[in-house]
Amino acid sequence: SQQGEEDPQALSIQEGENATMNCSYKTSINNLQWYRQNSGRGLVHLILIRSNEREKHSGRLRVTLDTSKKSSSLLITASRAADTASYFCATPSFSGGYNKLIFGAGTRLAVHP
Amino acid sequence: NAGVTQTPKFQVLKTGQSMTLQCAQDMNHEYMSWYRQDPGMGLRLIHYSVGAGITDQGEVPNGYNVSRSTTEDFPLRLLSAAPSQTSVYFCASSSYPPSSGSGDTQYFGPGTRLTVL
Repeated sequence: SQQGEEDPQALSIQEGENATMNCSYKTSINNLQWYRQNSGRGLVHLILIRSNEREKHSGRLRVTLDTSKKSSSLLITASRAADTASYFCATPSFSGGYNKLIFGAGTRLAVHP
Repeated sequence: NAGVTQTPKFQVLKTGQSMTLQCAQDMNHEYMSWYRQDPGMGLRLIHYSVGAGITDQGEVPNGYNVSRSTTEDFPLRLLSAAPSQTSVYFCASSSYPPSSGSGDTQYFGPGTRLTVL
Protein backbone atom coordinates (compact mmCIF):
# COMPACT_ATOMS: atom_id res chain seq x y z
CA SER A 1 0.00 0.00 0.00
CA GLN A 2 1.16 3.52 -0.65
CA GLN A 3 1.88 5.66 2.35
CA GLY A 4 2.32 8.97 0.60
CA GLU A 5 -0.70 10.29 -1.25
CA GLU A 6 -0.36 13.46 -3.27
CA ASP A 7 -3.14 15.91 -3.93
CA PRO A 8 -4.15 17.06 -6.47
CA GLN A 9 -3.40 14.36 -9.01
CA ALA A 10 -3.00 17.00 -11.71
CA LEU A 11 -2.49 20.76 -11.67
CA SER A 12 -2.47 23.19 -14.59
CA ILE A 13 -1.32 26.79 -14.10
CA GLN A 14 0.10 29.75 -16.00
CA GLU A 15 3.73 30.83 -15.82
CA GLY A 16 4.32 33.14 -12.90
CA GLU A 17 1.62 31.59 -10.73
CA ASN A 18 2.36 29.58 -7.60
CA ALA A 19 1.80 25.83 -7.46
CA THR A 20 0.93 24.00 -4.27
CA MET A 21 0.97 20.25 -3.91
CA ASN A 22 0.02 18.30 -0.83
CA CYS A 23 1.10 14.96 0.56
CA SER A 24 -0.46 12.88 3.30
CA TYR A 25 1.10 9.88 4.94
CA LYS A 26 -0.03 7.25 7.41
CA THR A 27 2.70 6.25 9.85
CA SER A 28 5.29 8.07 11.90
CA ILE A 29 8.30 9.25 9.95
CA ASN A 30 11.72 10.71 10.65
CA ASN A 31 11.90 12.57 7.35
CA LEU A 32 9.94 13.29 4.19
CA GLN A 33 11.37 13.90 0.75
CA TRP A 34 10.10 15.48 -2.45
CA TYR A 35 11.22 14.37 -5.89
CA ARG A 36 10.60 15.66 -9.40
CA GLN A 37 10.32 13.53 -12.52
CA ASN A 38 10.42 15.03 -15.97
CA SER A 39 8.66 13.04 -18.67
CA GLY A 40 10.64 9.94 -19.60
CA ARG A 41 13.37 10.62 -17.06
CA GLY A 42 14.45 9.40 -13.65
CA LEU A 43 13.52 11.05 -10.37
CA VAL A 44 15.52 13.96 -9.07
CA HIS A 45 15.68 14.81 -5.38
CA LEU A 46 14.35 18.27 -4.53
CA ILE A 47 14.30 18.62 -0.78
CA LEU A 48 14.34 16.63 2.45
CA ILE A 49 12.60 17.84 5.59
CA ARG A 50 13.16 16.17 8.94
CA SER A 51 10.44 15.45 11.45
CA ASN A 52 11.71 18.13 13.81
CA GLU A 53 11.49 20.79 11.08
CA ARG A 54 8.30 22.63 10.18
CA GLU A 55 9.42 24.50 7.09
CA LYS A 56 12.30 24.42 4.66
CA HIS A 57 13.24 26.54 1.67
CA SER A 58 15.34 25.85 -1.39
CA GLY A 59 15.30 28.52 -4.07
CA ARG A 60 11.70 28.84 -5.31
CA LEU A 61 10.65 25.76 -3.33
CA ARG A 62 9.04 25.88 0.09
CA VAL A 63 8.17 22.68 1.93
CA THR A 64 6.16 22.46 5.11
CA LEU A 65 5.64 19.49 7.39
CA ASP A 66 2.86 19.01 9.93
CA THR A 67 3.53 15.79 11.82
CA SER A 68 0.34 16.14 13.87
CA LYS A 69 -1.71 16.01 10.67
CA LYS A 70 0.70 13.67 8.90
CA SER A 71 0.88 15.99 5.94
CA SER A 72 3.35 18.01 3.92
CA SER A 73 3.06 20.60 1.20
CA LEU A 74 5.35 21.68 -1.60
CA LEU A 75 5.01 25.23 -2.88
CA ILE A 76 6.69 26.32 -6.10
CA THR A 77 6.65 30.09 -6.40
CA ALA A 78 6.73 32.07 -9.66
CA SER A 79 6.43 28.90 -11.71
CA ARG A 80 8.13 28.46 -15.07
CA ALA A 81 7.38 26.24 -18.04
CA ALA A 82 10.47 24.23 -17.08
CA ASP A 83 8.72 23.26 -13.81
CA THR A 84 6.35 21.07 -15.83
CA ALA A 85 6.89 17.60 -14.36
CA SER A 86 5.47 15.07 -11.93
CA TYR A 87 6.19 15.62 -8.26
CA PHE A 88 6.33 12.83 -5.70
CA CYS A 89 6.58 12.80 -1.96
CA ALA A 90 8.41 9.89 -0.35
CA THR A 91 8.63 8.67 3.21
CA PRO A 92 10.91 6.03 4.71
CA SER A 93 9.51 2.83 6.13
CA PHE A 94 10.89 -0.21 7.84
CA SER A 95 7.59 -2.03 7.82
CA GLY A 96 7.46 -5.63 6.73
CA GLY A 97 11.15 -5.96 7.53
CA TYR A 98 12.36 -4.08 4.50
CA ASN A 99 13.99 -0.71 4.35
CA LYS A 100 12.45 1.44 1.66
CA LEU A 101 11.16 4.77 0.50
CA ILE A 102 7.42 4.76 -0.11
CA PHE A 103 6.30 6.93 -2.98
CA GLY A 104 2.88 8.35 -3.66
CA ALA A 105 1.28 8.33 -7.11
CA GLY A 106 2.45 11.89 -7.73
CA THR A 107 1.05 15.23 -8.85
CA ARG A 108 1.35 16.07 -12.55
CA LEU A 109 2.09 19.77 -12.90
CA ALA A 110 1.67 21.58 -16.22
CA VAL A 111 2.91 25.17 -16.42
CA HIS A 112 1.72 26.99 -19.52
CA PRO A 113 3.71 29.88 -21.05
CA ASN B 1 30.88 11.41 -11.58
CA ALA B 2 28.49 9.55 -13.86
CA GLY B 3 26.09 9.00 -10.94
CA VAL B 4 23.72 6.07 -11.45
CA THR B 5 23.75 4.49 -14.87
CA GLN B 6 21.33 1.92 -16.27
CA THR B 7 21.44 -0.20 -19.39
CA PRO B 8 19.67 -0.80 -21.64
CA LYS B 9 17.35 2.21 -22.03
CA PHE B 10 14.74 0.19 -23.89
CA GLN B 11 14.10 -3.53 -24.18
CA VAL B 12 11.43 -5.69 -25.77
CA LEU B 13 11.16 -9.31 -24.64
CA LYS B 14 8.93 -12.21 -25.50
CA THR B 15 7.10 -14.05 -22.74
CA GLY B 16 9.39 -16.58 -21.11
CA GLN B 17 12.66 -14.91 -22.07
CA SER B 18 15.16 -13.93 -19.42
CA MET B 19 17.37 -10.88 -19.22
CA THR B 20 19.45 -8.75 -16.89
CA LEU B 21 19.00 -5.03 -16.32
CA GLN B 22 22.29 -3.42 -15.40
CA CYS B 23 22.77 -0.74 -12.76
CA ALA B 24 26.02 0.85 -11.66
CA GLN B 25 26.95 3.80 -9.44
CA ASP B 26 30.27 5.53 -8.89
CA MET B 27 29.47 7.35 -5.66
CA ASN B 28 30.55 4.56 -3.30
CA HIS B 29 26.99 4.25 -2.01
CA GLU B 30 26.17 1.33 0.24
CA TYR B 31 22.41 1.28 -0.34
CA MET B 32 21.03 0.38 -3.76
CA SER B 33 17.52 -0.48 -4.82
CA TRP B 34 15.33 -1.37 -7.77
CA TYR B 35 11.88 0.09 -8.32
CA ARG B 36 9.27 -0.37 -10.98
CA GLN B 37 6.92 2.40 -12.07
CA ASP B 38 3.60 1.64 -13.70
CA PRO B 39 1.26 4.23 -15.26
CA GLY B 40 -0.55 6.38 -12.73
CA MET B 41 1.33 4.85 -9.83
CA GLY B 42 4.30 5.74 -7.75
CA LEU B 43 7.37 3.58 -7.49
CA ARG B 44 7.23 0.12 -5.93
CA LEU B 45 10.31 -1.48 -4.42
CA ILE B 46 11.43 -4.76 -5.99
CA HIS B 47 14.71 -5.57 -4.21
CA TYR B 48 17.28 -3.64 -2.27
CA SER B 49 20.79 -4.04 -0.91
CA VAL B 50 22.45 -2.43 2.11
CA GLY B 51 25.95 -3.40 0.99
CA ALA B 52 28.01 -5.82 -1.06
CA GLY B 53 26.87 -9.38 -0.46
CA ILE B 54 23.61 -8.34 1.24
CA THR B 55 20.27 -8.22 -0.58
CA ASP B 56 16.66 -8.40 0.50
CA GLN B 57 13.21 -8.44 -0.99
CA GLY B 58 10.96 -5.43 -1.33
CA GLU B 59 7.23 -5.15 -2.01
CA VAL B 60 7.08 -6.90 -5.38
CA PRO B 61 10.02 -9.36 -5.63
CA ASN B 62 8.35 -12.24 -7.46
CA GLY B 63 9.89 -12.99 -10.84
CA TYR B 64 13.07 -11.02 -10.12
CA ASN B 65 16.50 -11.89 -8.72
CA VAL B 66 19.35 -9.65 -7.64
CA SER B 67 22.93 -10.00 -6.47
CA ARG B 68 25.48 -7.52 -5.13
CA SER B 69 29.00 -8.79 -5.62
CA THR B 70 30.53 -5.29 -5.64
CA THR B 71 29.59 -1.93 -4.13
CA GLU B 72 29.21 -0.42 -7.59
CA ASP B 73 26.93 -2.90 -9.39
CA PHE B 74 23.42 -4.13 -8.67
CA PRO B 75 21.95 -6.10 -11.59
CA LEU B 76 18.30 -7.11 -11.75
CA ARG B 77 17.47 -10.40 -13.43
CA LEU B 78 14.12 -11.29 -14.91
CA LEU B 79 13.94 -15.06 -14.76
CA SER B 80 11.05 -15.74 -17.16
CA ALA B 81 9.49 -12.54 -18.45
CA ALA B 82 5.73 -12.08 -18.25
CA PRO B 83 3.51 -9.31 -19.72
CA SER B 84 2.81 -8.15 -16.15
CA GLN B 85 6.47 -7.14 -15.94
CA THR B 86 6.02 -4.52 -18.63
CA SER B 87 7.06 -1.38 -16.78
CA VAL B 88 9.73 1.25 -16.36
CA TYR B 89 12.49 0.11 -14.03
CA PHE B 90 14.57 2.51 -11.96
CA CYS B 91 17.70 1.84 -10.00
CA ALA B 92 18.58 4.14 -7.11
CA SER B 93 21.41 4.51 -4.64
CA SER B 94 22.19 6.40 -1.46
CA SER B 95 24.87 6.49 1.18
CA TYR B 96 22.52 5.18 3.86
CA PRO B 97 19.22 3.26 3.90
CA PRO B 98 16.05 5.38 3.73
CA SER B 99 15.07 4.61 7.29
CA SER B 100 18.39 5.71 8.75
CA GLY B 101 18.12 8.35 11.42
CA SER B 102 18.88 11.41 9.35
CA GLY B 103 17.40 10.28 6.06
CA ASP B 104 19.33 10.38 2.83
CA THR B 105 18.91 11.51 -0.76
CA GLN B 106 18.23 8.78 -3.28
CA TYR B 107 19.98 9.18 -6.64
CA PHE B 108 18.06 7.65 -9.51
CA GLY B 109 19.19 6.27 -12.81
CA PRO B 110 17.45 7.28 -16.06
CA GLY B 111 15.36 4.11 -16.18
CA THR B 112 14.87 1.11 -18.44
CA ARG B 113 11.60 0.88 -20.34
CA LEU B 114 10.73 -2.82 -20.66
CA THR B 115 7.97 -4.27 -22.80
CA VAL B 116 7.08 -7.95 -22.58
CA LEU B 117 5.01 -9.29 -25.45
